[in-house]
Amino acid sequence: DQQVKQNSPSLSVQEGRISILNCDYTNSMFDYFLWYKKYPAEGPTFLISISSIKDKNEDGRFTVFLNKSAKHLSLHIVPSQPGDSAVYFCAAFTGGTSYGKLTFGQGTILTVHP
Amino acid sequence: KAGVTQTPRYLIKTRGQQVTLSCSPISGHRSVSWYQQTPGQGLQFLFEYFSETQRNKGNFPGRFSGRQFSNSRSEMNVSTLELGDSALYLCASSSAGAPYNEQFFGPGTRLTVL
Repeated sequence: DQQVKQNSPSLSVQEGRISILNCDYTNSMFDYFLWYKKYPAEGPTFLISISSIKDKNEDGRFTVFLNKSAKHLSLHIVPSQPGDSAVYFCAAFTGGTSYGKLTFGQGTILTVHP
Repeated sequence: KAGVTQTPRYLIKTRGQQVTLSCSPISGHRSVSWYQQTPGQGLQFLFEYFSETQRNKGNFPGRFSGRQFSNSRSEMNVSTLELGDSALYLCASSSAGAPYNEQFFGPGTRLTVL
């Protein structure tokens, strides 16, 4: 039962353009959503998060949008840079007694071409 | 501040053996979570420890166990290894005081079972 889904295994973007990574979820109990970036041979690195009571959170070049009615979130990277090339995971957290448990999507490989 | 460290980084074992992986969290972090990453299943939550107590557990067989020491360092053990246990094992630490579960990941231990 895949509660968090990233339906695009890969995305290719030109440097300077916008990258949009998408994520869908099925569990309406999720109340925090996070995006992580992962380079080969390294652990995931936290990028940005959003609470379920918000619909947008911005941090520099990264913006996350949440559409609760559609159970959909997206990460926008503007402008994209070659160093952004990595695997991006969205993750969700239910809070309460779900200590430590993040539910991850399968990841999207982003390639930014110079 | 030093990041999360995991040892060893690479490990090769044969079926039926057991293995112990170690994780040292960021100084001051008291929560340690473990994840298994495989190509087919993605990142899956194993368990979480806080102050030497397991607070949460994922859907893995009893062959997977863990513990946490008084200095917050954690170990996970897999007994009677199976080929399907080949994976990247990631640990993540958090302060557990944040409203959401921002976790800081180590580089992982790559386990290969032959």
